[in-house]
Amino acid sequence: ETGVTQTPRHLVMGMTNKKSLKCEQHLGHNAMYWYKQSAKKPLELMFVYSLEERVENNSVPSRFSPECPNSSHLFLHLHTLQPEDSALYLCASSQLGTFGETQYFGPGTRLLVL
Amino acid sequence: AQSVTQLGSHVSVSEGALVLLRCNYSSSVPPYLFWYVQYPNQGLQLLLKYTSAATLVKGINGFEAEFKKSETSFHLTKPSAHMSDAAEYFCAVSDRGADTGRRALTFGSGTRLQVQP
Repeated sequence: ETGVTQTPRHLVMGMTNKKSLKCEQHLGHNAMYWYKQSAKKPLELMFVYSLEERVENNSVPSRFSPECPNSSHLFLHLHTLQPEDSALYLCASSQLGTFGETQYFGPGTRLLVL
Repeated sequence: AQSVTQLGSHVSVSEGALVLLRCNYSSSVPPYLFWYVQYPNQGLQLLLKYTSAATLVKGINGFEAEFKKSETSFHLTKPSAHMSDAAEYFCAVSDRGADTGRRALTFGSGTRLQVQP
C-alpha cells in the first residue's frame, strides 16, 4: 500500500448504529487530519492529531469520536449519527515543520446515514 | 483568520481551450497556497503549491498557477483543456506561521470544470 488509505470506502448505517472509519498513512508523517465534505459546503476540518495528540477539535459534535493509536493510524468512531452527517469523510496526513508542509489525502469514505 | 474565495462554482470550456480557475485568498501572514483536484468518487490530489519561491508555480498535468500578492490571487491555468481535466478543483491556504492545529488547510468551495468536446 502507498499513500493514504481509508476503509471502508462506502458505509450505510442507521441512526442507532456504531461504526468506525479507519485511515492509514504509509508516508512516515507525524500529523493526521479528518475532514468532512458535504454537498454544497466547503471542506470542513474536524480533527487534527500531531504526534498522536489531538491538537484541534473544530467544534465537532460528540457523536464523532477520533482515535489516533500511533502515527500511522487514525480512526473516527461514529455513534447515534443524524442524516445530516451523511457526507464524504476524508483523511489526510502531513509532516510537521517541513517547508511548504503539504497534506496528502486518502480516497475518502462515503457515509450515508438512514 | 484566513479565507479562500473561488469565483465560479462551475466553469465550462471546450476541449483545447484555455482553462482559468480563479482563487483569491485572505491571510494576515504570507501563506502557503495549494490547488487540489478531485475526480469523482476519489480523494483530493495535489496539483501544485506555492511556498514563496517562484511566483509562477508549475504542477502536474500541465497546470500552473501564479501568485500575485498585490491582488491576493492564485489563479490556476492550463493552456489547452483535455477531456480528462473534467473534475472539481479546490484552492486552499494554510498559515505557515501558525501553531500545528492552525496550519490545517482552509479550502475554497470548489470549482467544477466541465470540458466540452
